Amino acid sequence: DTGVSQNPRHKITKRGQNVTFRCDPISEHNRLYWYRQTLGQGPEFLTYFQNEAQLEKSRLLSDRFSAERPKGSFSTLEIQRTEQGDSAMYLCASSNSGRVTYEQYFGPGTRLTVT
Amino acid sequence: GQSLEQPSEVTAVEGAIVQINCTYQTSGFYGLSWYQQHDGGAPTFLSYNALDGLEETGRFSSFLSRSDSYGYLLLQELQMKDSASYFCALLTGGGNKLTFGTGTQLKVEL
Repeated sequence: DTGVSQNPRHKITKRGQNVTFRCDPISEHNRLYWYRQTLGQGPEFLTYFQNEAQLEKSRLLSDRFSAERPKGSFSTLEIQRTEQGDSAMYLCASSNSGRVTYEQYFGPGTRLTVT
Repeated sequence: GQSLEQPSEVTAVEGAIVQINCTYQTSGFYGLSWYQQHDGGAPTFLSYNALDGLEETGRFSSFLSRSDSYGYLLLQELQMKDSASYFCALLTGGGNKLTFGTGTQLKVEL
């Protein structure tokens, strides 16, 4: 399977704990995106990487959120001191770079539940 | 910033044609994309309009009018498997990020 993969698929954590999610993009894609989706809403952009450089972060992304993409391959998204409002589906997507690359390939997501 | 509005729900019968509308506000964008998402699944790309007019991909067509800040997705010969949520999304920025609409849940009935 050469699609985007995400781990874990589900995560239940207690409020105040830290969690980390992993995304493995399609191997030849150098752009990687993180989105967050809550029930009944469309995905919301969080951040994106071109290779290992994090080039944009949404104002939605508080200081408790950090993302990395070492060596421009897989990426991790860490949430520190989780809050109940962080409960959502966290989606990763990848694409090729270019002036305009309109097709993003999404992974299955990590569903986070904060109790 | 950007905002996009879609009807929350549309119901149609198998074999019919349905149109899902999308109106948007933005200061600039490359184009309008459409994604399909089944319950519990990942969004998957359906169509993209960079220019005004109609783009056809099999049973799906998408339309964009920049002057009216409006687009739509047209699904023909509806099948039960088309029951899903459909999102329009503006493609913006140097990184080509997507700003998604509120989504339309399509229910296809027999």
